[in-house]
Amino acid sequence: DIQMTQSPSSLSASVGGRVTITCQASQDISNYLNWYQQKPGKAPKLLIYDASNLETGVPSRFSGSGSGTDFTFTISSLQPEDIATYYCQQYDNLPLTFGGGTKVEIK
Amino acid sequence: QVQLVESGGGVVQPGRSLRLSCAASGFTFSSYSMHWVRQAPGKGLEWVAVISNDGSNKYYADSVKGRFTISRDNSKNTLYLQMNSLRAEDTAVYFCARDGTVITVSWFDPWGQGTLVTASS
Repeated sequence: DIQMTQSPSSLSASVGGRVTITCQASQDISNYLNWYQQKPGKAPKLLIYDASNLETGVPSRFSGSGSGTDFTFTISSLQPEDIATYYCQQYDNLPLTFGGGTKVEIK
Repeated sequence: QVQLVESGGGVVQPGRSLRLSCAASGFTFSSYSMHWVRQAPGKGLEWVAVISNDGSNKYYADSVKGRFTISRDNSKNTLYLQMNSLRAEDTAVYFCARDGTVITVSWFDPWGQGTLVTASS
């Protein structure tokens, strides 16, 4: 199975600040990497697919990059509505696997 | 609009069975692979199973293989998860999700609201 290591597990940033989350795969997954946002009590929502493609309707302050084993998710200017837990997910191989999640809070 | 609505969750004793359903609308259900993903209380996301658009191919996480069965009825636009021999560690919110493409397994979009399964005596 491909292990996805996400860090940090939690972070606190100011409104307007920059947030960066990393996700490392245990083997090369090309660009088969997606990012989700999950707000408390809600279902996850797709933000980024194929490492860097912004899902339709998602604000441009969200972005993703990387390929191979190392990936980055960035919120360029944190907004109060971005408070959530973020997950990466690989689809290079079954079983599909997720990172452990990053809880983002406002400082 | 595309919508997925799960049902069938509840409290069940360990060792017993439960069947979840996911009603789909707003898209051509028979064109997409469909998934079940679960989330234990306070924990992260765990993929459970996938079924191809025509039901001919099914894959499972090792944690549920041999106990859970994914199926679909394209005439009813409905996805199912039959859960047998439930264990305490199966306690979770179960989400159904559409695969992102019609070609292969990819991302999950959209997701249903989830249904809570509690395996407890």
